[in-house]
Amino acid sequence: GAVVSQHPSRVICKSGTSVKIECRSLDFQATTMFWYRQFPKQSLMLMATSNEGSKATYEQGVEKDKFLINHASLTLSTLTVTSAHPEDSSFYICSARRQTYEQYFGPGTRLTVT
Amino acid sequence: SQQGEEDPQALSIQEGENATMNCSYKTSINNLQWYRQNSGRGLVHLILIRSNEREKHSGRLRVTLDTSKKSSSLLITASRAADTASYFCATDPNSGGSNYKLTFGKGTLLTVNP
Repeated sequence: GAVVSQHPSRVICKSGTSVKIECRSLDFQATTMFWYRQFPKQSLMLMATSNEGSKATYEQGVEKDKFLINHASLTLSTLTVTSAHPEDSSFYICSARRQTYEQYFGPGTRLTVT
Repeated sequence: SQQGEEDPQALSIQEGENATMNCSYKTSINNLQWYRQNSGRGLVHLILIRSNEREKHSGRLRVTLDTSKKSSSLLITASRAADTASYFCATDPNSGGSNYKLTFGKGTLLTVNP
């Protein structure tokens, strides 16, 4: 099967610091990666679409200067939450798509900003 | 905007019973997918049904799609306690160059009591 990993699985940081979350496709090359955000007991909200070698496309209302996305290779995308604040605390999930319609999701990263 | 809307929002049944969840959407789609999410975890892809398909089976899962009504249903037969999870439908819009962005519904929380 297609495996996507995320690191770290949990992170606690202080307000004002930056946090980087990695998303890796372990056994396939992902043409596109997606970043989602999920609040407790709510659905996933797409934040941005990331294509290898090009700038990410952000959804309306998502601050691109706050949520920096780098898709350095066909197997790695990173999301950096800059100058994090408590309201950024959330569950961040990435997914990776190869040549089919299916997206393969990572296990998620729980971010807590204190 | 939220594309998929599942109902019911929560469903509690006894082990062995069948569970039916519904999803409605608003715009035309390329395909519709169902995912499962255990609490605090990533998403697991269950089944994909294309817009030209009406019904699809996978093990104990049966998905139907009615494009005229813009609705889909997920039936889990002979439920087990391990089926306890949130279930989301996700639509892939019928637009060229969409990067296969998925829009998720709000989800149905299924509880299967032993």
